[in-house]
Amino acid sequence: GIQVEQSPPDLILQEGANSTLRCNFSDSVNNLQWFHQNPWGQLINLFYIPSGTKQNGRLSATTVATERYSLLYISSSQTTDSGVYFCAVERVGETSGSRLTFGEGTQLTVNP
Amino acid sequence: NAGVTQTPKFQVLKTGQSMTLQCAQDMNHNSMYWYRQDPGMGLRLIYYSASEGTTDKGEVPNGYNVSRLNKREFSLRLESAAPSQTSVYFCASSGWDGLGNYGYTFGSGTRLTVV
Repeated sequence: GIQVEQSPPDLILQEGANSTLRCNFSDSVNNLQWFHQNPWGQLINLFYIPSGTKQNGRLSATTVATERYSLLYISSSQTTDSGVYFCAVERVGETSGSRLTFGEGTQLTVNP
Repeated sequence: NAGVTQTPKFQVLKTGQSMTLQCAQDMNHNSMYWYRQDPGMGLRLIYYSASEGTTDKGEVPNGYNVSRLNKREFSLRLESAAPSQTSVYFCASSGWDGLGNYGYTFGSGTRLTVV
């Protein structure tokens, strides 16, 4: 199956700092998602971004499909950004909404 | 509020007992999923249903069965629980939003302990 590697595994920031999270994947994808799991366990879908760049407030994401990686940028981090960020992908050839494979996540801690 | 509702939130089972986790979505999504999450790991797909009336195995289906009762409901059954099935279980649904985005909505999770 497709391999998904996220880095760094852990990241500790002071409030107000910027950060970049990376997701590498081993095969061509037609679906790439970024999720945030808050400290209470709730999973929130941040971006659908199989290619290109999107922005939503302080968060933005870029996927370079030809080089098989995606980046999630968090600017001016806040304590509420703490939690685990997951990248998940679906391989080309799979029907949308079938085999989403998750990486192991980046644990982000933002200190006040 | 639109979303995915799963029950129960917590459950303790004895080895060999059975139970069904319930999930319902009001997003009008075709696709629904059951994932499990073990400590320090990402989510692993147990079963999914791309549409009403169809189900398919995911990465870790052994020991589980599912039923897609209708478009809204997708249940997960443990016939004979084992300690290895201690985990947090998430139900999810997915679909297009009409703006070109394919999105996922997750339930709040079921924390299952098998003793």
